[in-house]
Amino acid sequence: AQSVAQPEDQVNVAEGNPLTVKCTYSVSGNPYLFWYVQYPNRGLQFLLKYITGDNLVKGSYGFEAEFNKSQTSFHLKKPSALVSDSALYFCAVTWGNFNKFYFGSGTKLNVKP
Amino acid sequence: EPEVTQTPSHQVTQMGQEVILRCVPISNHLYFYWYRQILGQKVEFLVSFYNNEISEKSEIFDDQFSVERPDGSNFTLKIRSTKLEDSAMYFCASSVLGGRAGETQYFGPGTRLLVL
Repeated sequence: AQSVAQPEDQVNVAEGNPLTVKCTYSVSGNPYLFWYVQYPNRGLQFLLKYITGDNLVKGSYGFEAEFNKSQTSFHLKKPSALVSDSALYFCAVTWGNFNKFYFGSGTKLNVKP
Repeated sequence: EPEVTQTPSHQVTQMGQEVILRCVPISNHLYFYWYRQILGQKVEFLVSFYNNEISEKSEIFDDQFSVERPDGSNFTLKIRSTKLEDSAMYFCASSVLGGRAGETQYFGPGTRLLVL
């Protein structure tokens, strides 16, 4: 069955430290992977996606993510966290010509000053 | 920057009542979607819509749900007879195109529906 897992409900990191938010997936074809961020009372904002090509993709606000096919992972990273990065992060996957996204359960990122 | 908007932000209704959730997709987008998130659960796909037709729907999207694009800007989700388990955050999304690899979907802020 198709699925996305975000194994950590919450990630705590100090400002200025690197952050990683984990995502693993399971799909029957080549995956197309997305990261979205949700701030309170806002919608899901697109951060970045992997379609094909370079396994390291760069997105908004200094975030990047690495596609690892052998580990079926697409972890979100940032070299230096900001307090303003504190939010809920969602990983999503689709494949083929399907329109629907499968979402992970979300990871709350807390960046402390 | 263009955004997807949704109204109302919150809706409280009695079980058995009809509700209509409204969305204004980004203006040059052609594919529209509804997702929902029950509290504490994952965001789930409900339906996608293109060219005035449903292009795909999930098993959640049963006969009590319907979608419509009543004019050139709005996209609505109607729940005919609400149940307690319909209480959730409902997200609208749109994309320039769909049905092809990795099209980005842009989401609205959501409507929180509470069925009493």
